[in-house]
Amino acid sequence: EAEVAQSPRYKITEKSQAVAFWCDPISGHATLYWYRQILGQGPELLVQFQDESVVDDSQLPKDRFSAERLKGVDSTLKIQPAELGDSAMYLCASSLLTGLREETQYFGPGTRLLVL
Amino acid sequence: AQSVTQLDSHVSVSEGTPVLLRCNYSSSYSPSLFWYVQHPNKGLQLLLKYTSAATLVKGINGFEAEFKKSETSFHLTKPSAHMSDAAEYFCVTSSGNMLTFGGGTRLMVKP
Repeated sequence: EAEVAQSPRYKITEKSQAVAFWCDPISGHATLYWYRQILGQGPELLVQFQDESVVDDSQLPKDRFSAERLKGVDSTLKIQPAELGDSAMYLCASSLLTGLREETQYFGPGTRLLVL
Repeated sequence: AQSVTQLDSHVSVSEGTPVLLRCNYSSSYSPSLFWYVQHPNKGLQLLLKYTSAATLVKGINGFEAEFKKSETSFHLTKPSAHMSDAAEYFCVTSSGNMLTFGGGTRLMVKP
């Protein structure tokens, strides 16, 4: 069964350093999402792509976070500089289409970030 | 705006006994509702989803949920808990394709 791939699985960094996470969605899925999940809470959407275009980045802290999906396939989420409060699990998800509220999103295993 | 509330942050059951995880939703129209499970340090896995077809939805691993409009509820049940069911469970609603997660319920299964 096809899965969403993410790397690295774990990342430890010092504050003020730059970090980057990678996601490869299920083949053929046009929509890609990045979520942040703080320990003990549900995930919150950071950014949504439709192919290579950003559909929603209203919750992305743009002063330090950036995301791209240049060829409409895999995606990179970057944080520069990292802050202590960025410690969280970063989840990537993908779905086949967009605009359908019953559509299933498939999640990757996540990248757990610890900022020291 | 749509939202979901998970009524219990923690639920503890003994292996072999029934599981009930409660979720209430708030929506101005017929919602799409999902249950996802997250095992420690893992991503989220879809258990089941409701999309206004049958009100009783069967999912993977023996879980099912019943959509009750009169009670605005979408509780998750399983007849007999297994040790491998211990995990965090999220009730989720969607608007367009934006998912809104409940706070989660941690299910503990005692031997």
